[in-house]
Amino acid sequence: AQKVTQAQTEISVVEKEDVTLDCVYETRDTTYYLFWYKQPPSGELVFLIRRNSFDEQNEISGRYSWNFQKSTSSFNFTITASQVVDSAVYFCALSEGRTGKLIFGQGTELSVKP
Amino acid sequence: DAGVIQSPRHEVTEMGQEVTLRCKPISGHDYLFWYRQTMMRGLELLIYFNNNVPIDDSGMPEDRFSAKMPNASFSTLKIQPSEPRDSAVYFCASSDRDLRTEAFFGQGTRLTVV
Repeated sequence: AQKVTQAQTEISVVEKEDVTLDCVYETRDTTYYLFWYKQPPSGELVFLIRRNSFDEQNEISGRYSWNFQKSTSSFNFTITASQVVDSAVYFCALSEGRTGKLIFGQGTELSVKP
Repeated sequence: DAGVIQSPRHEVTEMGQEVTLRCKPISGHDYLFWYRQTMMRGLELLIYFNNNVPIDDSGMPEDRFSAKMPNASFSTLKIQPSEPRDSAVYFCASSDRDLRTEAFFGQGTRLTVV
């Protein structure tokens, strides 16, 4: 069965610190997709990144970076030099290869204090 | 494009009443999804449509829940009769190809059943 685990329920950091959000997934599919979404206090879900199972290259977008490792079934997300505006709940999600259904982790609430 | 539009943003209703949530997907998107977010269960996929046809409704919790998509620009999620345990945030999302691409989410409808 497919499953996404975000073991960190809450993380609190001080502004300018680096922070890594962990995501571990389980799937039997050979083709699958991984996502990160951000949910700020306003409540909407904002797409951050999509990665397919055949592409293990790390990705960097500004202060955000993602580390995908199939060997450990992990897709971790790092925010460098965190800012107060990064405070949000972050969700990791897995898309099943056959049906494409999105399965979300429980989310990690990140609090960045000034 | 205005993005995925959901209405109402907030709904408070009494137990036993019928509730209808509405969604307008992004124009040109072929897929539409309804998700529910609760503290206990996180984000769950309820149902999704492809070209207005329901594909997978295995996430619909009970017969009290029903969803329709009469045309490409409109979908409804109905709960009849509503119960306090239905209180949640309901998200609609749309995607332009399939579930392997990112889904764009609406701002959600916060439903409270008293």
